[in-house]
Amino acid sequence: EVQLVQSGAEVKKPGESLKISCKGSGYSFTSYWIGWVRQMPGKGLEWMGIIYPGDSDTRYSPSFQGQVTISADKSISTAYLQWSSLKASDTAMYYCVSELEGSGPFDYWGQGTLVTVSS
Amino acid sequence: EIVLTQSPATLSLSPGERATLSCRASQSVSSYLAWYQQKPGQAPRLLIYDASNRATGIPARFSGSGSGTDFTLTISSLEPEDFAVYYCQQRSNWPRMYTFGQGTKLEIK
Repeated sequence: EVQLVQSGAEVKKPGESLKISCKGSGYSFTSYWIGWVRQMPGKGLEWMGIIYPGDSDTRYSPSFQGQVTISADKSISTAYLQWSSLKASDTAMYYCVSELEGSGPFDYWGQGTLVTVSS
Repeated sequence: EIVLTQSPATLSLSPGERATLSCRASQSVSSYLAWYQQKPGQAPRLLIYDASNRATGIPARFSGSGSGTDFTLTISSLEPEDFAVYYCQQRSNWPRMYTFGQGTKLEIK
C-alpha cells in the first residue's frame, strides 16, 4: 500500500527556520516525483515544487522559488520542505504529493502538516 | 505559466441532480488534466486523470471530458457525500510545472 506520512504540526515564530518531512512507502521512492502543495487557511491549492529523488532534480513554482527548499534523502525514502526564515504568511497546511501515474496527477497525498507562524 | 480558470465559483444543487463543473486553460494542456475532490478537514482526493480516466475506487457517477483548453467534470446524480470543493490541475512538460484552478464549491441547495 502506497503511503505518504508527514511530520506533525509545528508552531513557530517569525524568523525561525523549519524543516518538515514526508516519508514514502509502498513504492519505489527513487523512481517517482514527489512534491509539495500549500493550502492557506480557507484558500485553494498551490503547487510549490517537486523533486525526483533518484537524481535530486528539483523544480519550483515561480511563486516559491527562493522562498523554500525542497530536498530528499533516498536512503530513508523521505522528502523535505524547509524554510530559513518563516513569515506569518507561511501559516498554512502543507501536503506532500506523489505522481506515480506519470502523466501529471497527484495520485497520493500525505495527511498534511499544519504550520502556524505567530509571534 | 498556464492559468486554469474554474467556473462557477459556487454551484448550488440538490441531491439527485446533475452537476457540471468547468475548467478552462489559458493555453492547451493536451489531456494532462486532473480533477480532485476536497472535503473539510481532509486532504484532496484524485478523481479523474488524463481528462477522462477515473482514479481507482472512484464511482462511475463521476466523469471527465475535454481536451486542449476546455474541460468538464460531470457528476451524473449527486449523492450527499459529493458536496465538497473540486479543483482541476494540469502539468506542463517543458518546463515541468503544475497548476491548480481556484476551485468550485459544490453546495447543497
